[in-house]
Amino acid sequence: NAGVTQTPKFRILKIGQSMTLQCAQDMNHNYMYWYRQDPGMGLKLIYYSVGAGITDKGEVPNGYNVSRSTTEDFPLRLELAAPSQTSVYFCASSYHRPSSYNEQFFGPGTRLTVL
Amino acid sequence: AQSVTQLGSHVSVSEGALVLLRCNYSSSVPPYLFWYVQYPNQGLQLLLKYTSAATLVKGINGFEAEFKKSETSFHLTKPSAHMSDAAEYFCALGESSASKIIFGSGTRLSIRP
Repeated sequence: NAGVTQTPKFRILKIGQSMTLQCAQDMNHNYMYWYRQDPGMGLKLIYYSVGAGITDKGEVPNGYNVSRSTTEDFPLRLELAAPSQTSVYFCASSYHRPSSYNEQFFGPGTRLTVL
Repeated sequence: AQSVTQLGSHVSVSEGALVLLRCNYSSSVPPYLFWYVQYPNQGLQLLLKYTSAATLVKGINGFEAEFKKSETSFHLTKPSAHMSDAAEYFCALGESSASKIIFGSGTRLSIRP
């Protein structure tokens, strides 16, 4: 299994440009997440999904959009990039069952700079 | 409300010394607790998890954590630090009824030669 994969690894955007960060998992996990991590800070949840066709906002959703058309893929869209979106973005997935909780598996991250 | 507090944003120990990273939590239901490690320029990797089976949990790389309900703590320890342990460590809290887990702010562990 490849686990959780993210592309691209690095990207530089100009203010106002748009891009999509790709995330895929091959573990048949039902839950998927997007986080951002600013330098020296912890993780902030942007969006998450509990299954194909179901998404919900996290702590910091403004400026981002997501979709989940398949179990495997969970892309994150930035429509109008701003310098405040300079960060490292992590995708994660987990297999969640009622009355149980399993750990999240993380991708290697995408380092985004907006100039 | 759920919360996770990691005491100390930076901990420095000598190689061979005891590592102790502190984590306290607040939860209204029995919690699931995790410790993750993040090496420089990498994603997070699970070190260990508590899911109510045993209060002392052993993880990878010689780390372990003890769940203490009376103290609402889940501190991470390792008897003897190694240079390769230098990384950022995150404590996290989950609940069976919730879709998300809450991460602490992280503790950066430095190892002195």
